[in-house]
Amino acid sequence: KAGVTQTPRYLIKTRGQQVTLSCSPISGHRSVSWYQQTPGQGLQFLFEYFSETQRNKGNFPGRFSGRQFSNSRSEMNVSTLELGDSALYLCASSLWGGTYEQYFGPGTRLTVT
Amino acid sequence: GIQVEQSPPDLILQEGANSTLRCNFSDSVNNLQWFHQNPWGQLINLFYIPSGTKQNGRLSATTVATERYSLLYISSSQTTDSGVYFCAVNTPLVFGKGTRLSVIA
Repeated sequence: KAGVTQTPRYLIKTRGQQVTLSCSPISGHRSVSWYQQTPGQGLQFLFEYFSETQRNKGNFPGRFSGRQFSNSRSEMNVSTLELGDSALYLCASSLWGGTYEQYFGPGTRLTVT
Repeated sequence: GIQVEQSPPDLILQEGANSTLRCNFSDSVNNLQWFHQNPWGQLINLFYIPSGTKQNGRLSATTVATERYSLLYISSSQTTDSGVYFCAVNTPLVFGKGTRLSVIA
């Protein structure tokens, strides 16, 4: 079974621009979660989607948004990029969410200049 | 919210040595996972272990939920074991700051 895939793997953007990241979960998995990893803050939860509905949201500004499609693929969008948004963005999928084991993709490394 | 503390923060070993990584958490948990982050940033699943003991080759893990800690044991370490090991609890996952392991040949 193929693992979680994320595109693009690397991205360079300029302050003020917006960006969209994509995540395809493991086949059959219904829950997708997004996490941000920075050297200063470590790994932090952004949001979780299940059956096209946002089920949980972390403590991030409204510039961070996401959605999930009927095939469980998910996208996250960051508008009006700031230098501090430079990070590794990781997507995780699990069968049903909740206490089910989560599996991570390779991540998208975003650099904002 | 729940706090997750990992120790030690850094660990340097000679190849072939054994090690124990610890994860303490401040409240009861319904989920606990151990990950190894490879040099390219991907989190590799090691164990899903909210309680009990599991083994997978040279790695094993024990979670004592009533005492709020989990241990990851690495035996006969290899250079490929180098990287950062994370403990994460609950849903959504709350991560510790990790243990950076360096195995020297």
